Amino acid sequence: GAGVSQSPSNKVTEKGKDVELRCDPISGHTALYWYRQSLGQGLEFLIYFQGNSAPDKSGLPSDRFSAERTGGSVSTLTIQRTQQEDSAVYLCASSLAVRGRESDIQYFGAGTRLSVL
Amino acid sequence: AQKITQTQPGMFVQEKEAVTLDCTYDTSDPSYGLFWYKQPSSGEMIFLIYQGSYDQQNATEGRYSLNFQKARKSANLVISASQLGDSAMYFCAMRETYGKLTFGQGTILTVHP
Repeated sequence: GAGVSQSPSNKVTEKGKDVELRCDPISGHTALYWYRQSLGQGLEFLIYFQGNSAPDKSGLPSDRFSAERTGGSVSTLTIQRTQQEDSAVYLCASSLAVRGRESDIQYFGAGTRLSVL
Repeated sequence: AQKITQTQPGMFVQEKEAVTLDCTYDTSDPSYGLFWYKQPSSGEMIFLIYQGSYDQQNATEGRYSLNFQKARKSANLVISASQLGDSAMYFCAMRETYGKLTFGQGTILTVHP
């Protein structure tokens, strides 16, 4: 389809393991965002990529979290040494990042549900 | 301080009736955007409607309209002629600077037949 694609849809891991979550944005979208949705914290911004600019990492909760975006397209969010509090739904979004920035619509994927046992 | 506040954890509406979901926001930025998203049980966030801070008229998209009261810093979503498929979680969000959205806590809407 033409939407934002995330994989896997579900991931169960053991505490202390590393996990990688993948996001394929909508073709032609230059901006890519990661958010986390958990019961206790609601929807939180994690990181934002815009073209070739340095990413905005201001939302990453700890240095165990990192993300990269290769070739201005696919992005991978990596969580090292997972903890139980990392259990959440990780949502990816992309946007065209057009001029008139406030109206730039972010389109979301279905998310990856991460469960850390 | 909360930047986006949705005070209704849950709302109920009868099918074919209209419903208003409340959203208030807090910002000192003169330029901002307000968004509403729908999240059904499947989990995907679906964009519904956008309102810019400088827009003179309230936004409308089909059965969705945004009641924007800038002085009160409110951006309520109005859904007309509710349908069973409207049952979902609804999020209000704001963008102040280029990039991230800040979301409210969400309102669960249940449409009764």
